Amino acid sequence: EVQLVESGGGLVKPGGSLRLSCAASGFTFSSYSMNWVRQAPGKGLEWVSSISSSSSYIYYADSVKGRFTISRDNAKNSLYLQMNSLRAEDTAVYYCARDRTQLPMGYNWFDPWGQGTLVTVSS
Amino acid sequence: DIQMTQSPSSLSASVGDRVTITCRASQSISSYLNWYQQKPGKAPKLLIYAASSLQSGVPSRFSGSGSGTDFTLTISSLQPEDFATYYCQQSYSTPPGFGQGTKLEIK
Repeated sequence: EVQLVESGGGLVKPGGSLRLSCAASGFTFSSYSMNWVRQAPGKGLEWVSSISSSSSYIYYADSVKGRFTISRDNAKNSLYLQMNSLRAEDTAVYYCARDRTQLPMGYNWFDPWGQGTLVTVSS
Repeated sequence: DIQMTQSPSSLSASVGDRVTITCRASQSISSYLNWYQQKPGKAPKLLIYAASSLQSGVPSRFSGSGSGTDFTLTISSLQPEDFATYYCQQSYSTPPGFGQGTKLEIK
């Protein structure tokens, strides 16, 4: 069974740091790009960051650029999100999601998603 | 960035109803459009990818159509388990933006 399990969320003060992890199982992790998507309480979905299978290509939303760093360890089947200089507006459930691509057109989508981990930034 | 706009933002319907949700992109995205369902406290679940392809395991009462800038998600006969929030998402360019969501409620 394909499974993604996030961890590392919690309460942190503004300006603080947190590192999220996503453990993958049930598929060849090293073959897939991965993503972080977040959802503020009562709000919609916001893509945060993506990383290609070999870490060659990394992208960030403007809202987190320069503060968050995505990385992965294919030997450990794990995805990470290092979050620094956290702000109240970063409060959200953070989901990791696998990227799927259909060739030759390059259609891609997020499937599956993990259950999410809650990050609360508050003093 | 490409903006995605869903309508309506909320919708009340009854079991057995046919429901259509619309998603509009701020520029042409061909068929690079996906639909997700999210229930309270749960992760989003993929329903439709590439505008009209049904994800494996998703009931056939769900269907997607459209290309360019205008897309629709249709549920042919609402079931109790379909009451949820639905999101469209474009995968044409980075950042891969989502619509604001459509909350489908029981009438």
